[in-house]
Amino acid sequence: DQQVKQNSPSLSVQEGRISILNCDYTNSMFDYFLWYKKYPAEGPTFLISISSIKDKNEDGRFTVFLNKSAKHLSLHIVPSQPGDSAVYFCAASRMNYGGSQGNLIFGKGTKLSVKP
Amino acid sequence: NAGVTQTPKFQVLKTGQSMTLQCAQDMNHNSMYWYRQDPGMGLRLIYYSASEGTTDKGEVPNGYNVSRLNKREFSLRLESAAPSQTSVYFCASRAVYNSPLHFGNGTRLTVT
Repeated sequence: DQQVKQNSPSLSVQEGRISILNCDYTNSMFDYFLWYKKYPAEGPTFLISISSIKDKNEDGRFTVFLNKSAKHLSLHIVPSQPGDSAVYFCAASRMNYGGSQGNLIFGKGTKLSVKP
Repeated sequence: NAGVTQTPKFQVLKTGQSMTLQCAQDMNHNSMYWYRQDPGMGLRLIYYSASEGTTDKGEVPNGYNVSRLNKREFSLRLESAAPSQTSVYFCASRAVYNSPLHFGNGTRLTVT
């Protein structure tokens, strides 16, 4: 059973518009969420994170929103640029836990294409 | 500033052959991880080492073994490779469990 779900395998947006990537989770014990970006032939790179004590975190063009009651988070990229074209992974874990409970669980990823 | 270094970048094996994937990090991180990425499956944890001297199974450990050689190095061994182990393997590390993972650039393994 998938604990972290990214239901859209792909998303295409125009340069300059907003990209919204979505992620749902089933484990209500998760309280630490991250987004990673991955280019072909490279490893995933950390983008932004949020803990469950907040409902929003911003870093430049990237904002992550967390809706705990809906077990849903989203990544907003504004404005989108062609260089943002990549696969985006959502991940979740339990904060302040070592061992298996503290390990990151990843979604399957969403491929974002930003067209000039 | 190398971060997480994986070797080799590419490898082709025949069924039944063995090999070891190497991973080293220079960030003085305590925890290290091995993931595999398959099309449509995301990143799945194979094994991890929470600290030097400890290793534990992840979600998909069958067919693999690991060694935490020292704080810097964490290797993944396939004793008898199978076509189902064709995948891209990523090593990652982090300082503490509330911090992001840092990934290497992966090893693309094909088993024929």
